[in-house]
Amino acid sequence: QSALTQPPSASGSPGQSVTISCTGTSSDVGGYNYVSWYQQHPGKVPKVIIYDVSERPSGVPDRFSGSKSGNTASLTVSGLQAEDEADYYCSSYAGSNNPYVFGTGTKVTVL
Amino acid sequence: QVELQESGPGLVRASETPSLTCAVSGYSISSGYYWGWIRQPPGKGLEWIGSIYHSGSTYYNPSLKSRVSISVDKSKNEISLKLSSVTAADTAVYYCVRHGSWLGPFDIWGQGTMVTVSS
Repeated sequence: QSALTQPPSASGSPGQSVTISCTGTSSDVGGYNYVSWYQQHPGKVPKVIIYDVSERPSGVPDRFSGSKSGNTASLTVSGLQAEDEADYYCSSYAGSNNPYVFGTGTKVTVL
Repeated sequence: QVELQESGPGLVRASETPSLTCAVSGYSISSGYYWGWIRQPPGKGLEWIGSIYHSGSTYYNPSLKSRVSISVDKSKNEISLKLSSVTAADTAVYYCVRHGSWLGPFDIWGQGTMVTVSS
């Protein structure tokens, strides 16, 4: 099972929006509505910010939103803030044989 | 509040079989949920290693299955990971995680423990 494909980097100015893509196959992203997104600040532990494609855990700002179309999932961060500068990883359920696959990761920079 | 705390050997030699432990506090493993391990090599992405259900059923990443063993000690409220025949490629931060359902997400993470494999 190959890793999901994400762009290595993305950037935006404070207040702008940035969208990160996560491309898989019909065996993972396209086959299930179980895509999660994790935010990881440098030297810190990953934290789930989106699950089940578009659901936000309690306490996660609504500036973070998720969606999916076909084999590609997306994370949008609206109204960028300095604290949003971090690495973001997507993950998808991929069936019983190898159930969890992660994306390659995207570094978001706030200009 | 559920907390996970990993512990491990830190530095191991190639071909050894290190054992990592995750102590769970604030929740009894016997009560439910899935508990697993995810690793992250320095400067790289995340990789799911395997998970164990509170009943003891285990699930492993096929790419690591032949070298991985995950177990649960309900009396200590701990889960353990053993990784055999390690190489430099196994150098990583190893995170203990909880996932509320088989379908994810990984909603609680430990602080991680670094394992460095020396040749």
